[in-house]
Amino acid sequence: DSGVTQTPKHLITATGQRVTLRCSPRSGDLSVYWYQQSLDQGLQFLIQYYNGEERAKGNILERFSAQQFPDLHSELNLSSLELGDSALYFCASSVVPGVGNEQFFGPGTRLTVL
Amino acid sequence: AQRVTQPEKLLSVFKGAPVELKCNYSYSGSPELFWYVQYSRQRLQLLLRHISRESIKGFTADLNKGETSFHLKKPFAQEEDSAMYYCALSGLSGSNYKLTFGKGTLLTVNP
Repeated sequence: DSGVTQTPKHLITATGQRVTLRCSPRSGDLSVYWYQQSLDQGLQFLIQYYNGEERAKGNILERFSAQQFPDLHSELNLSSLELGDSALYFCASSVVPGVGNEQFFGPGTRLTVL
Repeated sequence: AQRVTQPEKLLSVFKGAPVELKCNYSYSGSPELFWYVQYSRQRLQLLLRHISRESIKGFTADLNKGETSFHLKKPFAQEEDSAMYYCALSGLSGSNYKLTFGKGTLLTVNP
């Protein structure tokens, strides 16, 4: 599968814990985006990386951080987890960041915080 | 600031009926608008974008700058159109482009 991949598919953890979500972009894509999808807030942009560097930040909490590695895969770290962090986390990628560039989405990681 | 509003959370129509999913936006510049679709158990995917002015799976969307709208339309809905639809706007946020999504409309096409 040369599309965007995300691991794990599901993650169940307790409040106060820390988790890492992983994303591999499509082959050839240099830009990675992270989104949080919840029932009440919809799809919210968190952060964007391009070729290893942070390019844009959205509604990302200080407890969350991300990075993009030299092989272009990205990790989203969520710490001091709260019940409200339970959501579906999507990663997307595009060739380069740009106004009209299509973003290709991964299948998502469903995080449940108990 | 850029904002996308999809006023209907849920929309239910019968097969063969026309369907219109509403999308309004707020953006000070010249926007790029998209419709993304998420079928059950599938990933989010691009349905169409306004600059292409194309029809995909029978769906069309026209950008109306006067009304700041980008409604998605299909004259005859099919059961396989049942999905979650997101309107999205790509605009400059600082020095970078950001994709802002609406909260989505869940379309159900009944037999």
